[in-house]
Amino acid sequence: EAQVTQNPRYLITVTGKKLTVTCSQNMNHEYMSWYRQDPGLGLRQIYYSMNVEVTDKGDVPEGYKVSRKEKRNFPLILESPSPNQTSLYFCASKGQAYGYTFGSGTRLTVV
Amino acid sequence: GEDVEQSLFLSVREGDSSVINCTYTDSSSTYLYWYKQEPGAGLQLLTYIFSNMDMKQDQRLTVLLNKKDKHLSLRIADTQTGDSAIYFCAEMPNYGGATNKLIFGTGTLLAVQP
Repeated sequence: EAQVTQNPRYLITVTGKKLTVTCSQNMNHEYMSWYRQDPGLGLRQIYYSMNVEVTDKGDVPEGYKVSRKEKRNFPLILESPSPNQTSLYFCASKGQAYGYTFGSGTRLTVV
Repeated sequence: GEDVEQSLFLSVREGDSSVINCTYTDSSSTYLYWYKQEPGAGLQLLTYIFSNMDMKQDQRLTVLLNKKDKHLSLRIADTQTGDSAIYFCAEMPNYGGATNKLIFGTGTLLAVQP
Protein backbone atom coordinates (compact mmCIF):
# COMPACT_ATOMS: atom_id res chain seq x y z
CA GLU A 1 0.00 0.00 0.00
CA ALA A 2 1.27 3.44 -0.98
CA GLN A 3 1.75 5.43 2.18
CA VAL A 4 3.69 7.90 4.27
CA THR A 5 4.63 6.50 7.69
CA GLN A 6 5.43 8.72 10.64
CA ASN A 7 6.67 7.67 14.03
CA PRO A 8 5.87 8.08 16.80
CA ARG A 9 2.15 8.96 16.72
CA TYR A 10 2.31 10.55 20.16
CA LEU A 11 5.27 11.95 22.05
CA ILE A 12 5.59 13.79 25.35
CA THR A 13 9.03 15.17 26.12
CA VAL A 14 10.74 17.72 28.30
CA THR A 15 12.22 21.04 27.28
CA GLY A 16 15.70 20.72 25.82
CA LYS A 17 15.74 16.97 25.21
CA LYS A 18 16.62 16.29 21.58
CA LEU A 19 14.13 14.26 19.60
CA THR A 20 13.59 12.96 16.09
CA VAL A 21 10.33 12.27 14.33
CA THR A 22 10.79 9.83 11.48
CA CYS A 23 9.03 9.91 8.13
CA SER A 24 9.23 7.32 5.39
CA GLN A 25 7.41 7.00 2.05
CA ASN A 26 7.25 4.00 -0.25
CA MET A 27 6.16 5.75 -3.46
CA ASN A 28 9.57 6.83 -4.74
CA HIS A 29 8.46 10.47 -4.46
CA GLU A 30 11.09 13.13 -4.91
CA TYR A 31 9.36 15.89 -2.95
CA MET A 32 8.80 15.66 0.79
CA SER A 33 7.72 18.23 3.32
CA TRP A 34 6.97 18.77 7.01
CA TYR A 35 4.02 20.80 8.28
CA ARG A 36 2.81 21.71 11.71
CA GLN A 37 -0.87 22.19 12.49
CA ASP A 38 -2.02 24.57 15.20
CA PRO A 39 -5.58 25.62 16.07
CA GLY A 40 -6.70 28.66 14.11
CA LEU A 41 -3.52 28.68 12.03
CA GLY A 42 -4.08 25.76 9.68
CA LEU A 43 -0.98 23.97 8.43
CA ARG A 44 2.31 25.77 8.07
CA GLN A 45 5.31 24.43 6.21
CA ILE A 46 8.46 23.85 8.29
CA TYR A 47 10.94 22.41 5.78
CA TYR A 48 10.80 20.75 2.42
CA SER A 49 13.06 18.67 0.22
CA MET A 50 13.03 18.57 -3.56
CA ASN A 51 15.26 15.50 -3.70
CA VAL A 52 18.06 13.67 -1.94
CA GLU A 53 20.48 16.10 -0.25
CA VAL A 54 18.31 19.08 -1.30
CA THR A 55 16.42 20.71 1.57
CA ASP A 56 15.12 24.21 2.18
CA LYS A 57 13.29 26.22 4.78
CA GLY A 58 9.55 26.67 4.74
CA ASP A 59 7.61 29.34 6.60
CA VAL A 60 8.39 28.32 10.20
CA PRO A 61 11.81 26.61 10.26
CA GLU A 62 13.17 28.03 13.52
CA GLY A 63 14.03 25.33 16.04
CA TYR A 64 13.90 22.49 13.50
CA LYS A 65 16.36 20.59 11.34
CA VAL A 66 15.86 18.02 8.62
CA SER A 67 17.98 15.72 6.52
CA ARG A 68 17.42 13.82 3.28
CA LYS A 69 20.13 11.21 2.92
CA GLU A 70 17.84 8.74 1.15
CA LYS A 71 14.87 9.32 -1.09
CA ARG A 72 12.39 7.50 1.14
CA ASN A 73 13.27 9.10 4.50
CA PHE A 74 12.89 12.67 5.73
CA PRO A 75 13.32 12.92 9.52
CA LEU A 76 12.43 16.04 11.50
CA ILE A 77 14.87 16.87 14.27
CA LEU A 78 14.25 19.11 17.25
CA GLU A 79 17.65 19.73 18.83
CA SER A 80 16.31 21.55 21.88
CA PRO A 81 12.51 21.39 21.99
CA SER A 82 10.57 24.17 23.66
CA PRO A 83 6.90 24.32 24.74
CA ASN A 84 5.99 26.50 21.72
CA GLN A 85 6.82 23.50 19.54
CA THR A 86 3.92 21.59 21.06
CA SER A 87 1.87 20.86 17.97
CA LEU A 88 0.54 18.27 15.54
CA TYR A 89 3.14 17.47 12.88
CA PHE A 90 2.53 16.03 9.43
CA CYS A 91 4.95 14.67 6.91
CA ALA A 92 3.90 14.62 3.26
CA SER A 93 5.29 13.51 -0.06
CA LYS A 94 4.43 14.34 -3.64
CA GLY A 95 5.26 12.67 -6.92
CA GLN A 96 4.42 13.70 -10.47
CA ALA A 97 0.69 13.49 -9.81
CA TYR A 98 -1.21 16.43 -8.43
CA GLY A 99 -1.73 15.85 -4.74
CA TYR A 100 0.25 15.30 -1.58
CA THR A 101 0.08 12.11 0.42
CA PHE A 102 0.12 12.83 4.14
CA GLY A 103 1.22 10.73 7.07
CA SER A 104 -1.13 10.14 10.00
CA GLY A 105 0.51 12.80 12.13
CA THR A 106 2.64 13.04 15.25
CA ARG A 107 1.20 14.80 18.26
CA LEU A 108 4.10 16.32 20.20
CA THR A 109 3.83 17.81 23.67
CA VAL A 110 6.84 19.60 25.17
CA VAL A 111 6.59 20.26 28.90
CA GLY B 1 1.21 37.64 -0.45
CA GLU B 2 0.07 34.19 0.38
CA ASP B 3 -3.17 33.83 2.25
CA VAL B 4 -6.03 31.36 2.10
CA GLU B 5 -9.15 32.13 4.12
CA GLN B 6 -12.05 29.95 5.18
CA SER B 7 -14.87 30.28 7.63
CA LEU B 8 -14.20 28.28 10.79
CA PHE B 9 -17.45 26.40 11.27
CA LEU B 10 -20.47 25.09 9.35
CA SER B 11 -23.39 23.12 10.74
CA VAL B 12 -25.87 21.28 8.51
CA ARG B 13 -28.57 18.65 8.88
CA GLU B 14 -28.07 15.17 7.50
CA GLY B 15 -29.35 14.98 3.93
CA ASP B 16 -28.89 18.68 3.22
CA SER B 17 -26.18 20.10 0.98
CA SER B 18 -23.07 21.66 2.52
CA VAL B 19 -21.15 24.47 0.88
CA ILE B 20 -17.70 25.32 2.18
CA ASN B 21 -16.13 28.49 0.84
CA CYS B 22 -12.54 29.60 0.44
CA THR B 23 -10.74 32.65 -0.89
CA TYR B 24 -7.14 32.68 -1.96
CA THR B 25 -4.76 35.41 -2.98
CA ASP B 26 -2.16 34.01 -5.37
CA SER B 27 -3.47 34.14 -8.92
CA SER B 28 -0.50 32.09 -10.12
CA SER B 29 -1.84 28.97 -8.43
CA THR B 30 -2.12 26.21 -10.97
CA TYR B 31 -3.97 23.76 -8.76
CA LEU B 32 -6.39 24.21 -5.90
CA TYR B 33 -7.23 21.43 -3.50
CA TRP B 34 -9.71 20.28 -0.92
CA TYR B 35 -8.48 18.06 1.89
CA LYS B 36 -10.52 16.32 4.59
CA GLN B 37 -9.25 15.65 8.10
CA GLU B 38 -11.22 13.30 10.31
CA PRO B 39 -10.60 13.33 14.08
CA GLY B 40 -7.20 11.88 14.95
CA ALA B 41 -6.31 11.27 11.33
CA GLY B 42 -4.09 12.76 8.68
CA LEU B 43 -5.22 14.75 5.67
CA GLN B 44 -6.98 12.98 2.87
CA LEU B 45 -7.05 14.52 -0.59
CA LEU B 46 -10.72 14.85 -1.54
CA THR B 47 -10.46 16.55 -4.88
CA TYR B 48 -8.54 19.17 -6.80
CA ILE B 49 -9.24 21.53 -9.66
CA PHE B 50 -6.94 22.86 -12.34
CA SER B 51 -6.94 26.63 -12.63
CA ASN B 52 -8.32 26.64 -16.19
CA MET B 53 -11.49 24.87 -15.05
CA ASP B 54 -14.64 26.46 -13.64
CA MET B 55 -16.22 23.36 -12.20
CA LYS B 56 -15.39 19.80 -11.33
CA GLN B 57 -17.86 17.15 -10.20
CA ASP B 58 -16.98 13.89 -8.51
CA GLN B 59 -19.94 11.90 -7.18
CA ARG B 60 -21.36 13.93 -4.26
CA LEU B 61 -18.65 16.57 -4.50
CA THR B 62 -18.79 19.67 -6.70
CA VAL B 63 -15.96 22.17 -6.83
CA LEU B 64 -16.57 25.63 -8.24
CA LEU B 65 -13.73 28.00 -9.10
CA ASN B 66 -14.14 31.72 -9.75
CA LYS B 67 -10.69 32.90 -10.80
CA LYS B 68 -11.72 36.52 -11.14
CA ASP B 69 -12.77 36.68 -7.48
CA LYS B 70 -10.19 34.07 -6.36
CA HIS B 71 -13.02 32.09 -4.79
CA LEU B 72 -13.22 28.33 -4.44
CA SER B 73 -16.12 26.35 -3.03
CA LEU B 74 -16.82 22.73 -2.19
CA ARG B 75 -20.39 21.49 -2.28
CA ILE B 76 -21.23 18.17 -0.67
CA ALA B 77 -24.61 16.83 -1.75
CA ASP B 78 -26.73 14.69 0.60
CA THR B 79 -24.38 15.32 3.53
CA GLN B 80 -23.96 12.35 5.85
CA THR B 81 -22.76 12.14 9.46
CA GLY B 82 -19.60 10.51 8.13
CA ASP B 83 -18.82 13.78 6.36
CA SER B 84 -18.24 15.47 9.72
CA ALA B 85 -14.62 16.57 9.63
CA ILE B 86 -12.36 19.57 9.09
CA TYR B 87 -12.07 20.61 5.45
CA PHE B 88 -9.00 22.44 4.25
CA CYS B 89 -8.72 24.50 1.12
CA ALA B 90 -5.17 24.71 -0.28
CA GLU B 91 -3.44 26.37 -3.18
CA MET B 92 -0.17 25.57 -4.87
CA PRO B 93 1.31 28.83 -6.18
CA ASN B 94 3.45 28.63 -9.27
CA TYR B 95 6.75 30.10 -8.17
CA GLY B 96 8.39 29.29 -11.49
CA GLY B 97 10.84 26.99 -9.80
CA ALA B 98 7.94 24.72 -8.86
CA THR B 99 8.60 24.37 -5.15
CA ASN B 100 5.43 22.28 -4.81
CA LYS B 101 4.54 24.28 -1.73
CA LEU B 102 0.95 23.90 -0.53
CA ILE B 103 -0.58 26.83 1.30
CA PHE B 104 -3.48 25.85 3.51
CA GLY B 105 -6.44 27.72 4.85
CA THR B 106 -7.29 27.51 8.54
CA GLY B 107 -9.85 24.76 7.93
CA THR B 108 -13.66 24.63 8.22
CA LEU B 109 -15.16 22.33 10.80
CA LEU B 110 -18.25 20.71 9.28
CA ALA B 111 -20.71 19.37 11.85
CA VAL B 112 -23.52 17.21 10.48
CA GLN B 113 -26.58 16.93 12.72
CA PRO B 114 -28.58 13.70 12.48
